Order: sequence, then C-alpha cells, then structure tokens
Amino acid sequence: GAVVSQHPSRVICKSGTSVKIECRSLDFQATTMFWYRQFPKQSLMLMATSNEGSKATYEQGVEKDKFLINHASLTLSTLTVTSAHPEDSSFYICSARGLGGGPNTEAFFGQGTRLTVV
Amino acid sequence: EDKVVQSPLSLVVHEGDTVTLNCSYEVTNFRSLLWYKQEKKAPTFLFMLTSSGIEKKSGRLSSILDKKELSSILNITATQTGDSAIYLCAVYNNNDMRFGAGTRLTVKP
Repeated sequence: GAVVSQHPSRVICKSGTSVKIECRSLDFQATTMFWYRQFPKQSLMLMATSNEGSKATYEQGVEKDKFLINHASLTLSTLTVTSAHPEDSSFYICSARGLGGGPNTEAFFGQGTRLTVV
Repeated sequence: EDKVVQSPLSLVVHEGDTVTLNCSYEVTNFRSLLWYKQEKKAPTFLFMLTSSGIEKKSGRLSSILDKKELSSILNITATQTGDSAIYLCAVYNNNDMRFGAGTRLTVKP
C-alpha cells in the first residue's frame, strides 16, 4: 500500500506553546487528508477534512482557530495545535486519499503523533 | 447526523473460535465502507466494500456489505492470538470518512 509519513511520532510541549504535526504522502499525491484524534481506548474522531488548495472543513465542536490545518501541496498537510493545554493531550493521526481517488479509494494512515502537554 | 455503530464493543474468545463483528451506518450520500485493524498505532486496511452482497476475502478474514440493511459484517475464522486488536469500521460519504467506536477483540490461547 501507499506510504503516509507523520512526524513527529511523539512530542511533549509546555502549556501555552504551539505544536506542528506534519503528514506527508511519500509515494502518491493526496488530494484529501483527514485528521483524527483518538483518546485512550476510544475510536478515531474526525476533526477535519482538508482538500489540497482549499480551506479545511472542520467537524462540529472542533475549534478551527485552535487546530490550524494547512494542505498547501498534494503531498503535505499540517496540523498546528495552538496555545496547547493539557486537555489537548491526545493521539493525533492523519490519513490521506490519493489523487483522483473518490470515496472508492482507500485512505492510508500515518503512524500518529502522541502529544503530551505539560 | 451521520452515524457508524459497531457491535459488540468488546469480545473475548479462545483460539480457534469464529467471530462476527457488526457495523451499521446511517450516512447521507454513502459511497463505501471500510474495515481496519488497529493494534498499536495506525490502523491497517483490511477491506473496502462498495457493492452489496459481494464477499471480500483475505485468508481467514471475510466481509460483506448489505446496503439494504445499511450494515456490514466482518468474519474471522479459526482465530489466533495475533488477531487480538481493535477492529474499526469506517464509512465514506462524498467527502468524509467516519469511524465507528470499534470492537476490541481479545483472543486467548
């Protein structure tokens, strides 16, 4: 399957600082990227869907000013957690769907980022 | 609001047993349903289903979609301890991919 690289895999930051998480499709062009958050022992919760070159669509309850998503190229999307607080500590994971791939194309996942805000 | 519901949430079996995991959905503009297995970090892809009644099979795993009942099942035969994981069902509509809560399967020796 295609490869999606997510970086960093683990980050610890101080409360009030911002953290950027990168999601790269390494061997395909990703027109759509999904960002999820996962709490311990819970499922993946969709935060936002981003299409290359346009603004992300955020799920209800997700603060767009806090979770900034940029999908500036067909191989890179970033999620920036601004002014992080301890309650933002979670596992964040991206998935990417390929060029020309509509909903009949599987999405490939990054390895996820474990964010701890202290 | 779109919903994806999986059952059971948790299941404990012994090696060699056969299990059936369920996923039902209420989604506008349904396009496809996917099954993933999640062990430690990223979910790994198992199946994508778009057409009703056509079984997809990979080794001991198989899955089928019923669009009339808005549901899918994932079967695992002759379970092994390595099958222990969370099995996630996801549904695509025109743009989003949403997940159910997952079924945590534990296979005991």
